[in-house]
Amino acid sequence: DSGVTQTPKHLITATGQRVTLRCSPRSGDLSVYWYQQSLDQGLQFLIQYYNGEERAKGNILERFSAQQFPDLHSELNLSSLELGDSALYFCASSASKAPSSPLHFGNGTRLTVT
Amino acid sequence: AQKVTQAQTEISVVEKEDVTLDCVYETRDTTYYLFWYKQPPSGELVFLIRRNSFDEQNEISGRYSWNFQKSTSSFNFTITASQVVDSAVYFCALSHPYNNNDMRFGAGTRLTVKP
Repeated sequence: DSGVTQTPKHLITATGQRVTLRCSPRSGDLSVYWYQQSLDQGLQFLIQYYNGEERAKGNILERFSAQQFPDLHSELNLSSLELGDSALYFCASSASKAPSSPLHFGNGTRLTVT
Repeated sequence: AQKVTQAQTEISVVEKEDVTLDCVYETRDTTYYLFWYKQPPSGELVFLIRRNSFDEQNEISGRYSWNFQKSTSSFNFTITASQVVDSAVYFCALSHPYNNNDMRFGAGTRLTVKP
């Protein structure tokens, strides 16, 4: 058990809809990352927050947004969903933003857009 | 640019065989960190090991061992006496030198260990 909690585990929704994925990092971890895993793109970094502030953006679409709250939990909002957004979305946390810090991943949220 | 290549898409072995998963990386930086993660069929990603660019000492942890060679930009992972529970997708990753955001993952190698 990595200590990172993601909810929900599965989400099925229709195109055009909006969903929110939630992540609670390991106790004490200040950094939260969101990754998307799809068959064709592999593991893609979306966005990182550190202690409530956005730290870096990766291949995140404009239809997607995220935030980290004062209690350090994070939410990833996906809107105007398309079929291609179907993927496994991982949240990860680390103790710091140092490059030596390994990422600890949650179990992921599997999003299916129909 | 940073890049990680795992050329082996799928490997299948029989239990008790040894198996090596290859990882080749590209970076212009002198300081970097390499990682291996395991993704079992249940889907979660499990951290296995971290290695920094200044430490070329090989590491052994039980049946797992890692061979880091800067000269060939490789960080290979060997499982000795494989077991069915080792069946998973294994990812090699390279971290950004200043921050571990945008950690670059390889495409993964799917290992199947048959009884």
